[in-house]
Amino acid sequence: RKEVEQDPGPFNVPEGATVAFNCTYSNSASQSFFWYRQDCRKEPKLLMSVYSSGNEDGRFTAQLNRASQYISLLIRDSKLSDSATYLCVVNRGDMRFGAGTRLTVKP
Amino acid sequence: EAGVAQSPRYKIIEKRQSVAFWCNPISGHATLYWYQQILGQGPKLLIQFQNNGVVDDSQLPKDRFSAERLKGVDSTLKIQPAKLEDSAVYLCASSLVSLPEAFFGQGTRLTVV
Repeated sequence: RKEVEQDPGPFNVPEGATVAFNCTYSNSASQSFFWYRQDCRKEPKLLMSVYSSGNEDGRFTAQLNRASQYISLLIRDSKLSDSATYLCVVNRGDMRFGAGTRLTVKP
Repeated sequence: EAGVAQSPRYKIIEKRQSVAFWCNPISGHATLYWYQQILGQGPKLLIQFQNNGVVDDSQLPKDRFSAERLKGVDSTLKIQPAKLEDSAVYLCASSLVSLPEAFFGQGTRLTVV
């Protein structure tokens, strides 16, 4: 079993759609959690941290369920500029990445 | 604030040759990571340093890969000898010990022919 597993995707959605990505992790000792965004041929960039209480940043909402070892990212009112690969990251003293889920938002 | 610097940006070598990559982390960041990202996959952690000590190198193919961070700042990653399957982007990232969020350099795109 992979340490961090994500929806394989790809997701192709129209502008304005709501899209959700899921991620599970295997190590219950994991301490902190993140979503990164990676544009084509660019480096990953931090999108947001994920807290147990859930957190929101504009159109983006992240949730963490420690009991189920599950992380989610919700994007509302998606824009063309949201097209990218979204990487789930788990920190257990190091930073372990999932394989990523590719999102394409179409006009 | 300057970001993570990596060089070279691109490298093409023949199989069985050696290659080295360099990384300069964000000033004050004690933690430094090297990742390998093969096309279509997520970044795979190769090695993590805290200052000049190795924290985790469990996924580093030690028969051909080596890395060092002698003075606890800059780091180099070496491959010797390279194989075709080493073709990937090699990403360096750094973070504070107190805040785990990692910041990445632009990466080195390696092609082994």
